[in-house]
Amino acid sequence: GAGVSQSPRYKVAKRGQDVALRCDPISGHVSLFWYQQALGQGPEFLTYFQNEAQLDKSGLPSDRFFAERPEGSVSTLKIQRTQQEDSAVYLCASSLGLDTQYFGPGTRLTVL
Amino acid sequence: GESVGLHLPTLSVQEGDNSIINCAYSNSASDYFIWYKQESGKGPQFIIDIRSNMDKRQGQRVTVLLNKTVKHLSLQIAATQPGDSAVYFCAERGYGGSQGNLIFGKGTKLSVKP
Repeated sequence: GAGVSQSPRYKVAKRGQDVALRCDPISGHVSLFWYQQALGQGPEFLTYFQNEAQLDKSGLPSDRFFAERPEGSVSTLKIQRTQQEDSAVYLCASSLGLDTQYFGPGTRLTVL
Repeated sequence: GESVGLHLPTLSVQEGDNSIINCAYSNSASDYFIWYKQESGKGPQFIIDIRSNMDKRQGQRVTVLLNKTVKHLSLQIAATQPGDSAVYFCAERGYGGSQGNLIFGKGTKLSVKP
């Protein structure tokens, strides 16, 4: 079946622009996670949804980061007034519960 | 702080040899661990997982060993192939109020020489 998909795969933004990153989880997966991966590092947790409820947003680095999942399926991660330090790969993962998380290909964000 | 880490940042093996990638964790209460493979430009790919009530779990050409006494995790790859070349991450499930997220180590780069 189809895996987790993310769009766009690549995004270049000028500093100060807003960006929106989309995640389509595996159909039927209740849990959805966003991670940020800096070059040469492991993914770091940003936020977690169970259906449409955002249960944990402790990893969001600032109030410029906002995530939503209004209908419990597709999720969007929005970054306002992007800064150069926001440049990273943003990964989305989904799971049936809290065990095996399946990752999408990621969106590589470059802020100039 | 508590974290998951790896003993070796790089590992180079000959094709056909067995590979062992090691990982240390610091939270003795962790109950779930998972290994991912990440190729360049791709997202992490699930390899195998293990719960804390197990010591060993086998998959296709891969085995994960868990030693709770010394808080050590390892991934064994049998008959390593060039296609196994990638960065391998171990991760543990978050604890306390963040049981949904995974906590990743920095990764080990595996290079397979033909």
